[in-house]
Amino acid sequence: AQKVTQAQTEISVVEKEDVTLDCVYETRDTTYYLFWYKQPPSGELVFLIRRNSFDEQNEISGRYSWNFQKSTSSFNFTITASQVVDSAVYFCALSEATGGSEKLVFGKGTKLTVNP
Amino acid sequence: DTGVSQNPRHKITKRGQNVTFRCDPISEHNRLYWYRQTLGQGPEFLTYFQNEAQLEKSRLLSDRFSAERPKGSFSTLEIQRTEQGDSAMYLCASSLVLNGYEQYFGPGTRLTVT
Repeated sequence: AQKVTQAQTEISVVEKEDVTLDCVYETRDTTYYLFWYKQPPSGELVFLIRRNSFDEQNEISGRYSWNFQKSTSSFNFTITASQVVDSAVYFCALSEATGGSEKLVFGKGTKLTVNP
Repeated sequence: DTGVSQNPRHKITKRGQNVTFRCDPISEHNRLYWYRQTLGQGPEFLTYFQNEAQLEKSRLLSDRFSAERPKGSFSTLEIQRTEQGDSAMYLCASSLVLNGYEQYFGPGTRLTVT
């Protein structure tokens, strides 16, 4: 069965600090996809990134970077030089290619608060 | 390109009443998903459609829940005889039917059952 664990329930940092959000996943599939979504206080889930299981290259997008390591089943997300606007709940999610639906299984989320 | 829209945004109902929510996906997306999110939790999958066909339902979807996507465009989710435990945010998402394509979410319908 697929499972996503985000062990950090809440993180609080001061603006300009770097912060890493952890995500550990479980799956029996060899082909799967990993995602990060942001849920600001307004409530709408915003897609951030998708990685497939065959692509372990790390990715950087502006202040955001992602570290995918199959050996530890982790897909961690780092925000560099955090800003107040980064305050939100961040969800890691997994979908398996087999079964057809590619439904997302989400972790419980990490609430990030960036203080000025 | 407009995003996913959901109506209503908020619904307050009394226990035992029926409610219906609507989701309009991104126009070229042929997959449509429904999720439910309770406070402090991540969204949980309820059901999904590919075009007009409902292909999978979660065991979370009791007999009181029904979903349709009659012409492969918008979808409705109906809850009959609502219970207080149905109070949650109901999220709709759409995607293309390509392997692993990202799902784009609507703003959700927040249901409160009193």
